[in-house]
Amino acid sequence: QSALTQPRSVSGSPGQSVTISCTGTRTDVGGHNFVTWYQQLPGKAPKLIIFDVIARPSGVPARFSGSRSDNTASLTISGLQAEDEAHYFCCSYADTSTLVFGGGTKLTVL
Amino acid sequence: EEHLVESGGGLVQPGGSLRLSCAASGFSFSNYWMNWVRQAPGKGLMWISVTSRDGRSTYYADSVKGRFTVSRDNAKNTLYLQMDSLRADDTGVYYCVRGMSSSWFTLDYWGQGTLVTVSS
Repeated sequence: QSALTQPRSVSGSPGQSVTISCTGTRTDVGGHNFVTWYQQLPGKAPKLIIFDVIARPSGVPARFSGSRSDNTASLTISGLQAEDEAHYFCCSYADTSTLVFGGGTKLTVL
Repeated sequence: EEHLVESGGGLVQPGGSLRLSCAASGFSFSNYWMNWVRQAPGKGLMWISVTSRDGRSTYYADSVKGRFTVSRDNAKNTLYLQMDSLRADDTGVYYCVRGMSSSWFTLDYWGQGTLVTVSS
């Protein structure tokens, strides 16, 4: 159950786009269509923003999008806004009927 | 509106035990798989455990297997986590999290968490 690999930090200016990567293996990210992304604002509980690799729950802006290539999933945030500054965590279902999270990425809006 | 409220956290010595509870409201609790997720201070998230709708199926992270036990009481709309043989690295905020109805591994509603500190 090794953690998925995410960059520790990314940054962008308002209006720009940023992409956060999440690298796993063929037994988790690459082997199942069950990658999720969570946004955690300071002092708050995480919030689901992407599920099943590319799907958005109702209420999540279309600026947030997910994708995957082989064993790497990605979260792209377009038209960055100041309110997007938060930690972002990826997560994947794994072969052993468990979930594995990434280490988290801090997004700074410059 | 869905609501999850954890309780039972606190300070416990290494080797000790603690039982966390999670009271659910605003949805049909017995229709959902339920998870526990931990976050160490200033660190990332770690999935701990999940239980099926009827409690008969349970899965655990390797690091807690044999020490933690997840259970539920659907009549009381409550999820539990019994934690034994606690270690310092079990310290963190424990979140009760609902799995989406179509797939338990999509964590769609989170409680606010309860803090567990393991220290002498």
